[in-house]
Amino acid sequence: AQRVTQPEKLLSVFKGAPVELKCNYSYSGSPELFWYVQYSRQRLQLLLRHISRESIKGFTADLNKGETSFHLKKPFAQEEDSAMYYCALMDSSYKLIFGSGTRLLVRP
Amino acid sequence: EADIYQTPRYLVIGTGKKITLECSQTMGHDKMYWYQQDPGMELHLIHYSYGVNSTEKGDLSSESTVSRIRTEHFPLTLESARPSHTSQYLCASSPSGLAGGLQFFGPGTRLTVL
Repeated sequence: AQRVTQPEKLLSVFKGAPVELKCNYSYSGSPELFWYVQYSRQRLQLLLRHISRESIKGFTADLNKGETSFHLKKPFAQEEDSAMYYCALMDSSYKLIFGSGTRLLVRP
Repeated sequence: EADIYQTPRYLVIGTGKKITLECSQTMGHDKMYWYQQDPGMELHLIHYSYGVNSTEKGDLSSESTVSRIRTEHFPLTLESARPSHTSQYLCASSPSGLAGGLQFFGPGTRLTVL
């Protein structure tokens, strides 16, 4: 079965602390994975995708096929990073399967 | 400017009413989607379309229906609204094929059924 699991509903950290948002997937094949973000009162938008191997707003995510994970990381959290983060897997029909989301709260 | 538009942004309506949520895009995309975002903020795909005259049901069963008569337009209709339909509805579009993971979302319609 194709599935995305985000085990944490809420992650609260202090400003300047490292952040790791967990994402695990289930997919029999070569996965295409994404992170989407929804800031307060803004649209859901693409943050990054694993195939581009880029760093956006200081965030990176590495695909670990052995652990079937695609965790999102940032070394020093900022208050403006507070948002809802969704991990997503592209299925065999090129649709996205979203995880349940993790709310990141960065406290001053 | 390329964008995705949803109207209305907010709708409060009584039980039994017929409603249509509008979604249009000027992105030039073939694929369009409707998601339901529940209070816990989970996203569930309820409908999608690969192009004109193509519509498919998503993973979450929904009593709503959709149509795709024009590439840029993908309205969602509820024939008889019920309180259980209260939710946020997000429309999205994407290119076809492998770029289908690059979805662009509209601002959403927050529906409340009394």
